[in-house]
Amino acid sequence: QQQVKQSPQSLIVQKGGISIINCAYENTAFDYFPWYQQFPGKGPALLIAIRPDVSEKKEGRFTISFNKSAKQFSLHIMDSQPGDSATYFCAARHLSGGYNKLIFGAGTRLAVHP
Amino acid sequence: GAGVSQSPSNKVTEKGKDVELRCDPISGHTALYWYRQSLGQGLEFLIYFQGNSAPDKSGLPSDRFSAERTGGSVSTLTIQRTQQEDSAVYLCASSSSGPGELFFGEGSRLTVL
Repeated sequence: QQQVKQSPQSLIVQKGGISIINCAYENTAFDYFPWYQQFPGKGPALLIAIRPDVSEKKEGRFTISFNKSAKQFSLHIMDSQPGDSATYFCAARHLSGGYNKLIFGAGTRLAVHP
Repeated sequence: GAGVSQSPSNKVTEKGKDVELRCDPISGHTALYWYRQSLGQGLEFLIYFQGNSAPDKSGLPSDRFSAERTGGSVSTLTIQRTQQEDSAVYLCASSSSGPGELFFGEGSRLTVL
């Protein structure tokens, strides 16, 4: 119940295309769903996040779609650019004892070809 | 400092040796986390510190792993009698006490020969 399942493991997209990464969870106690972006040799950095009371959040070219009933959420990257090439992790927060215990998905390695 | 600082950035050790990895969180952040990232894998939670509360050690994979946080700031992750399966990138993150984002360091890459 603590798992977050992420797919695909890797993704290749042409410049200008749409990148879509999907995640699913089981634990309905999760209350916050962030996406982290990691470039080689760097630590992950927060990209965008959503709470379960909204179905969509958009920031620039990045959109999270959230389906509470299906317990699924996805990241859409519009007009993908070579600079978006990175590993993306979805995560879910389990608020236990009042702190941020983030459970991460396995990651998706995105390559955007020019 | 401006961000989370980790040292060493790279560590190569022989099987059976002990290693210490250091994390200096963002000033003022009360929460500190250690995660492990194995090659091509996700981020595995290891341990969490929040202020003066007892740490959550539920993610430590074995009793060879331990961590401490001195003075509510710097943390040290210690791995005793290292094994080859301990080879990974060990990431430290800190956050403020609220439900905000985690700020990660660049990690310490451990290679056990």
